[in-house]
Amino acid sequence: SQTIHQWPATLVQPVGSPLSLECTVEGTSNPNLYWYRQAAGRGLQLLFYSVGIGQISSEVPQNLSASRPQDRQFILSSKKLLLSDSGFYLCAWQGLYNSPLHFGNGTRLTVT
Amino acid sequence: QKEVEQNSGPLSVPEGAIASLNCTYSDRGSQSFFWYRQYSGKSPELIMSIYSNGDKEDGRFTAQLNKASQYVSLLIRDSQPSDSATYLCAVGNNAGNMLTFGGGTRLMVKP
Repeated sequence: SQTIHQWPATLVQPVGSPLSLECTVEGTSNPNLYWYRQAAGRGLQLLFYSVGIGQISSEVPQNLSASRPQDRQFILSSKKLLLSDSGFYLCAWQGLYNSPLHFGNGTRLTVT
Repeated sequence: QKEVEQNSGPLSVPEGAIASLNCTYSDRGSQSFFWYRQYSGKSPELIMSIYSNGDKEDGRFTAQLNKASQYVSLLIRDSQPSDSATYLCAVGNNAGNMLTFGGGTRLMVKP
């Protein structure tokens, strides 16, 4: 069966510090991968999605970036965090097109 | 701009009652529709998928789809306090590789 791992679970970072969140998927090949952010009490905002290695599409212009160095690995990064980057970051994968997304457990990021 | 709209709630129902959650969407080309449940502080978990007009039942959950009216609903029968959560409606795009999420409806089931 497929599983998705996302870490760390919580993170507190000062403004201006770098960020690296990692997500890996097991049990499937060539998944579509997604990064979402959820601000407190708000809906899900799509940040990036990827249909293959090295293929990244950005939905929202910001100081975040994403990379997919391996088929089942998706990384979210920032060189300098802003207070507004605080939120709940969710990685998700999709197998077949039109199938549902499956989410990792998320990373709660607090920028202080 | 593709939109998915949900009433934010909270929707309060007594234990044992039927909870009815509604969702409308703007993209007429959408082919796939999903309901997720999200407990406070947790990630969304899939509870229902529906692709064709009509009803789809799974245990206490029934999803209803009306593509002509661009309307999706979720019925929860015999609601339990453990059903208290935020329910997210998600609609797939025409290509099937992108979901747009509604803002969610917060459901409270009172004992």
